Amino acid sequence: EVQLVQSGAEVKRPGESLKISCEASGYSFVTYWIAWVRQMPGEGLEWMGAIYPGDSDTRYSPSFQGQVTISADKSINTAYLQWNSLKASDTAMYYCATGPGRLDYWGQGTLVTVSS
Amino acid sequence: EIVMTQSPATLSVSPGERATLSCRASQSVSNNLAWYQQRPGQAPRLLIYGAVTRATGIPVRFSGSGSGTEFTLTISSLQSEDFAVYYCQHYNNWPPWTFGQGTKVEIK
Repeated sequence: EVQLVQSGAEVKRPGESLKISCEASGYSFVTYWIAWVRQMPGEGLEWMGAIYPGDSDTRYSPSFQGQVTISADKSINTAYLQWNSLKASDTAMYYCATGPGRLDYWGQGTLVTVSS
Repeated sequence: EIVMTQSPATLSVSPGERATLSCRASQSVSNNLAWYQQRPGQAPRLLIYGAVTRATGIPVRFSGSGSGTEFTLTISSLQSEDFAVYYCQHYNNWPPWTFGQGTKVEIK
């Protein structure tokens, strides 16, 4: 059974750094892209970027390029989404999802709250 | 970046009726188009991929059509559990792969 298990909810201050994780199991981690998707409160889904763990090829939506960093550690089947300096506008639910372009499997989401 | 535009933003339908949702791409995405359903408080789930293929376990009342730039998701007879938000997403060529803004299907 394919599973994506995300790290727990976070509450942070503006300017702080953060790295959230997505641990995959039940399939070959290097086979599919892993994407990160943002959902701000009451809003739609936004495709942020994705990494292909097989060769670490990483692509970003122009809206998120330079704002976040996506990485993966294939030795532990885990993908990461990282911020160097959080803003209040980063408050959202973040999902990881995987598949061959389409997103067949989704994590449960990580709620990130940024507030002073 | 390819822009995906969904219409309408909200669709009011009575249980048992048909719902038709549209998705348009700003340039051709061939048949590399997926539809997702998101119920309140849940992660999205894949309904349709390749524009027309139902994902595993998806009921036959869900069907997809289209290619190129125009796509449709049809729900033939709405059940109570189908009232949700639906998103299209293209995955043509290389990333970035974008979502539409969503269509909310609500009870009339």
